[in-house]
Amino acid sequence: AQKITQTQPGMFVQEKEAVTLDCTYDTSDPSYGLFWYKQPSSGEMIFLIYQGSYDQQNATEGRYSLNFQKARKSANLVISASQLGDSAMYFCAMREVEQGAQKLVFGQGTRLTINP
Amino acid sequence: NAGVMQNPRHLVRRRGQEARLRCSPMKGHSHVYWYRQLPEEGLKFMVYLQKENIIDESGMPKERFSAEFPKEGPSILRIQQVVRGDSAAYFCASSRDLQNSNQPQHFGDGTRLSIL
Repeated sequence: AQKITQTQPGMFVQEKEAVTLDCTYDTSDPSYGLFWYKQPSSGEMIFLIYQGSYDQQNATEGRYSLNFQKARKSANLVISASQLGDSAMYFCAMREVEQGAQKLVFGQGTRLTINP
Repeated sequence: NAGVMQNPRHLVRRRGQEARLRCSPMKGHSHVYWYRQLPEEGLKFMVYLQKENIIDESGMPKERFSAEFPKEGPSILRIQQVVRGDSAAYFCASSRDLQNSNQPQHFGDGTRLSIL
C-alpha cells in the first residue's frame, strides 16, 4: 500500500508566485515525522523542513512552510515568492519506525518548474 | 565539508563485476542508511546500520547485495556480479541519536552506478 502519495507529477509556476506541493500519507502509528526534500538537477538531496505528528504549529523555514492537516493526513509544502532556483524535484517522506529501526518512506516526487 | 561524503560520484561497471560504494557519515552521526533511486522515482530504503551492526536490511535484495559499517572507516555498500538492473543512484544518509525524533537524515550527493 502506498504510504506517501504525491499526486502532482509536475507543476509549472510563474516566478514570484507562491506554490503548494501536495502530500498525503497513511499510517496507524500515532507518532511519526514528515519531511520534505529538494533534489535539483545536480542530484543531491537537500533537507527543507520537518513536521512532527505532535507539533501544535505548522513548521516554517524561511520561504518554506508546511500546511499540516492531521485529520486529513496531509502535509503540503508551501513555497512563497518562488525563485528560478526553486526548480527541482521535491519529495515528501515519512519516518517509519519498525522494530526500533527508523527509515524514510518517500513519495514519487513532484517536478517543479519556475518560469521567468 | 562536514556533510555526508559519498564516493565515487559516478561508477561504471560491466556486467558481472563488483561495485563498492563508500559513505562517510557526518561528524557525530552514528546511524547510516542506504537508499536506491531509479530514474524518475523516489528513494527506496535498503538498509540501516549502526557501527558494526546491521539494524534493518528489509529493503536489501537477498542476493548479491551486502552492507557494512565497520568500527573504523566508512560504510560500504557492495554489489557483486552486477546486472543492468542495478543501474541507479545510491544515496547514503546519516543521523544522530534517534531519541530525538525530529532529527533529519542528512544525505550525501549519491553515487550514480551505470552498468554496461
